[in-house]
Amino acid sequence: AQTVTQSQPEMSVQEAETVTLSCTYDTSENNYYLFWYKQPPSRQMILVIRQEAYKQQNATENRFSVNFQKAAKSFSLKISDSQLGDTAMYFCAFMKPSGNTPLVFGKGTRLSVIA
Amino acid sequence: GAVVSQHPSWVICKSGTSVKIECRSLDFQATTMFWYRQFPKQSLMLMATSNEGSKATYEQGVEKDKFLINHASLTLSTLTVTSAHPEDSSFYICSAGWLGADTQYFGPGTRLTVL
Repeated sequence: AQTVTQSQPEMSVQEAETVTLSCTYDTSENNYYLFWYKQPPSRQMILVIRQEAYKQQNATENRFSVNFQKAAKSFSLKISDSQLGDTAMYFCAFMKPSGNTPLVFGKGTRLSVIA
Repeated sequence: GAVVSQHPSWVICKSGTSVKIECRSLDFQATTMFWYRQFPKQSLMLMATSNEGSKATYEQGVEKDKFLINHASLTLSTLTVTSAHPEDSSFYICSAGWLGADTQYFGPGTRLTVL
């Protein structure tokens, strides 16, 4: 069975600064997907970034980037130039290589961006 | 992008009544839909996986007679909370995917309050 661990329940960052959220996972699969989801107060799950395990290059989406270390089973999210709108819960998630299998979520990190 | 809707977004009911929540994929065919439950400040907990035309697979500890899931078409899955009690009050989220997909798509969630 797969597990996802987020060891930082809460974090805060000053506006315009950079913050890194940590995530580790455990799996015996060789191919899989990793995700970071944002859940703002509206509680809508918003996909922030996706990483395919067979791709060595770290995924990047504008101010969001990941540091994917497959051997270490680590998948951290870096948010650059933090904005007030980044305040939310962030969930790291694992998915086997097909969309008809459930996501496995970490417990989440509550990020507060301070003006 | 793929869109998933949920209806209703918020429902209040009396203890002992049944409530039905709908999850629809609006612009794609979802062979598989997932139902999650989320308590305040916690992560998403998978309740069940439903494949179109088949019986749902429930996670351990989830009462299948209480949480009835039907996935009768490729665009609609329903979750019925039977004989609801206050402890069933929660946020229910569905997601949808298909074989070979590289992600899943989330509905906006339904807030259930049982009085």
